Amino acid sequence: GQQLNQSPQSMFIQEGEDVSMNCTSSSIFNTWLWYKQDPGEGPVLLIALYKAGELTSNGRLTAQFGITRKDSFLNISASIPSDVGIYFCAGQGGSEKLVFGKGTKLTVNP
Amino acid sequence: EAQVTQNPRYLITVTGKKLTVTCSQNMNHEYMSWYRQDPGLGLRQIYYSMNVEVTDKGDVPEGYKVSRKEKRNFPLILESPSPNQTSLYFCASSTLGVNSGANVLTFGAGSRLTVL
Repeated sequence: GQQLNQSPQSMFIQEGEDVSMNCTSSSIFNTWLWYKQDPGEGPVLLIALYKAGELTSNGRLTAQFGITRKDSFLNISASIPSDVGIYFCAGQGGSEKLVFGKGTKLTVNP
Repeated sequence: EAQVTQNPRYLITVTGKKLTVTCSQNMNHEYMSWYRQDPGLGLRQIYYSMNVEVTDKGDVPEGYKVSRKEKRNFPLILESPSPNQTSLYFCASSTLGVNSGANVLTFGAGSRLTVL
């Protein structure tokens, strides 16, 4: 079945640093989604990408839909303590099924 | 407020004692799905439903049942829970067809289940 490789698995950074994470796949996707999960909560949608090459921002977050349609990245600029959590990518191909990455756990030290 | 509501949020039970985790959404979404989240394994789909009376297996359906009698509700049933079903469970819903059929899920807050 389809699989997403999300990296890194975890990150430990200082407040104010920029963060970059990415997802790659052997399959082509038509939609890429990025979610954040706060401790003890469900994942919340951050950014949705619908076209190859699309670059979309949401505050300090920026995500891109790769030109090959097999990858996507998420950048967080000037991290703050409330950025801590688990970030998930998800890709959708030709059906309704969403394939999730295993997540990137972000820790921000004040 | 548009949301997906799961109950209970926390449950400790014993092996073999049937339980149901309820899920309700107030967004008139056609698509609903259950996931389990385990350390190192990410989110794995258990069952999903494209609409009322239409359900299908996800990647890890063994030991679970679902039903979709009404559009807003999608309960997850564990007929005979076992310790390997100890996990964090999420219900999610979406409306397919908007944005060319993109499946943008809204998640519930999660139900942490422990089976002793």
